[in-house]
Amino acid sequence: GAGVSQSPSNKVTEKGKDVELRCDPISGHTALYWYRQSLGQGLEFLIYFQGNSAPDKSGLPSDRFSAERTGGSVSTLTIQRTQQEDSAVYLCASSFGGVRNEQFFGPGTRLTVL
Amino acid sequence: AQSVTQLDSHVSVSEGTPVLLRCNYSSSYSPSLFWYVQHPNKGLQLLLKYTSAATLVKGINGFEAEFKKSETSFHLTKPSAHMSDAAEYFCVVSEWAGKSTFGDGTTLTVKP
Repeated sequence: GAGVSQSPSNKVTEKGKDVELRCDPISGHTALYWYRQSLGQGLEFLIYFQGNSAPDKSGLPSDRFSAERTGGSVSTLTIQRTQQEDSAVYLCASSFGGVRNEQFFGPGTRLTVL
Repeated sequence: AQSVTQLDSHVSVSEGTPVLLRCNYSSSYSPSLFWYVQHPNKGLQLLLKYTSAATLVKGINGFEAEFKKSETSFHLTKPSAHMSDAAEYFCVVSEWAGKSTFGDGTTLTVKP
């Protein structure tokens, strides 16, 4: 079946504008994750959804960042009033949940804030 | 709290020689450990995982890793490097559902 897809693949925006990034997880996966990867850096955890439970938002860097997951499937990460330091690759992953199951990653969205 | 340290930011080997990428972890529980690989301009792919079964784990492309609880290590090895192994490698620890911590990554360069 299809893997995790993300759109857009690239996004260039001006400082102060809002952006929305979309993630379509693998069908049947109950868990969905968002990460941020800055140039030459590891992955920074942002937020985690598991089924109908309240999301773990502990990794969101500021209140400009928010995410939702509709119908237990598609997720949207929203960044309001973008700043230049928000420039990074935003990665989405999905899994069957739990500690032992691996995550399947999408190709990412490269965000550039001018 | 969980954490992971990849001891080398860059490793360079010659084609056909062994590969060793080092990873130490810290965890209050019995964690699951993973290695992922990221080739240039490609997505992250799972190499192998440890989830409390056999301590020596075999993965794809000839890679393997050994979980050593006494040393809190999960080093990644391969007997003979190929040019196609050149990539970024991430060690990951997970002790809570949803709370995976990634290392900073090790860039592997393979020289002909």
